[in-house]
Amino acid sequence: AAGVIQSPRHLIKEKRETATLKCYPIPRHDTVYWYQQGPGQDPQFLISFYEKMQSDKGSIPDRFSAQQFSDYHSELNMSSLELGDSALYFCASSSPEAGGLTPLHFGNGTRLTVT
Amino acid sequence: AQSVTQLGSHVSVSEGALVLLRCNYSSSVPPYLFWYVQYPNQGLQLLLKYTTGATLVKGINGFEAEFKKSETSFHLTKPSAHMSDAAEYFCAVTFNQGGKLIFGQGTELSVKP
Repeated sequence: AAGVIQSPRHLIKEKRETATLKCYPIPRHDTVYWYQQGPGQDPQFLISFYEKMQSDKGSIPDRFSAQQFSDYHSELNMSSLELGDSALYFCASSSPEAGGLTPLHFGNGTRLTVT
Repeated sequence: AQSVTQLGSHVSVSEGALVLLRCNYSSSVPPYLFWYVQYPNQGLQLLLKYTTGATLVKGINGFEAEFKKSETSFHLTKPSAHMSDAAEYFCAVTFNQGGKLIFGQGTELSVKP
């Protein structure tokens, strides 16, 4: 079965550079979530989109922005990178199911290293 | 505020022994509860979920969990551990359909031969 695809898998950037992470949800999933997982930490919610509109916002720095496109893929843009931004960034997707909730399906993540 | 607490950041069991990973939540509204497993350098894979109905839910790889409202718990169990079960396990909760997940701190499970 098709899964959530994230690219790139690994990314190395220097401080103050910018980075763009991409996420391709499972087909027919209309909701995308971004999470940040620091070393040894639990995933922290950053932001989510439903039908191309921002649906919820978590602890996302102002230096970060994201959007969901007409094909439902999403991009997380990160500027003025800091050492503390080094983490595993997960994208997850879901869709409304008859009777309510579908669980989030996660991609394998993008490991960002800021040097 | 809603939160999730996993008791024990590291749990070690012998192969064939019972696995018990603890999860408690705090919430003023009915929760939707999940367990995810994360293998090294991989994404989060759903083990099982509780939304409504039967409080004992069965998941993949022989895992199951029981929702106990009176105890605000959703502990994960497996009768017999296998070496391949060694991974990080996260309990997670959401409080609205399609909402963001709040994760516990994670429990690293080690399985000894």
